[in-house]
Amino acid sequence: QVQLVQSGTEMKKPGASVKISCKASGYTFANFAISWVRQAPGQGLEWMGWISAYNGDTNYAQKFQGRLSMTTDTSTSTAYMELRSLTSDDAAVYYCARGSPFCSGNNCYSYWAQGTLVTVSS
Amino acid sequence: DVVMTQSPLYLPVTPGEPASISCRSSQSLLHSNGHNFLDWYLQKPGQSPQLLIYLGSFRASGVPDRFSGSGSGTDFTLTISRVEADDVGVYYCMQALQTEGFTFGPGTKVDIK
Repeated sequence: QVQLVQSGTEMKKPGASVKISCKASGYTFANFAISWVRQAPGQGLEWMGWISAYNGDTNYAQKFQGRLSMTTDTSTSTAYMELRSLTSDDAAVYYCARGSPFCSGNNCYSYWAQGTLVTVSS
Repeated sequence: DVVMTQSPLYLPVTPGEPASISCRSSQSLLHSNGHNFLDWYLQKPGQSPQLLIYLGSFRASGVPDRFSGSGSGTDFTLTISRVEADDVGVYYCMQALQTEGFTFGPGTKVDIK
């Protein structure tokens, strides 16, 4: 069965970077993009972007341009999301998600990981 | 950017009764292939979101048939024909048409009266 498992809680200081992993299993990794969504405490969902696990193409939300990087390691079926220059506004639970062949591959998210809590505090 | 709005933002429901949530987008979500790129998700308390409806009206695998999605263009509705206690949580619509980036609605919190 398809599973996405993320790395654990991160505690960062303002100005630092965070890199979260998302390990996929139960399917051919290269066949689907991995997307990232975050949720600030008590707030709604915010789409961040996606990365093609096939060729590494990326598409980032405009607000994160310049400080967001998504990468993949096909040898370990793992996707990574790195966010730099953290501020308190970046404190959130970060989710990776995978699409479905029923919605053009990446236009809906059938599978979600458990989420990674990132705290940002001096 | 495509802006998504939802109403109501809070919906108290009675088990066994129907319930509906409206989602509107600032631009049409109708793709040239004839599908509306609008999804519905439910985030139950303490859990990751789960897909309910994709492409406006298609139920995701394992989703009970009391959930249905309708609408086209800019106006969409999620309907629960008979609410169950397990349906509580926050419901989000998400537009997945704009290549510059997808956007979620603000969420509708559903709770039992």
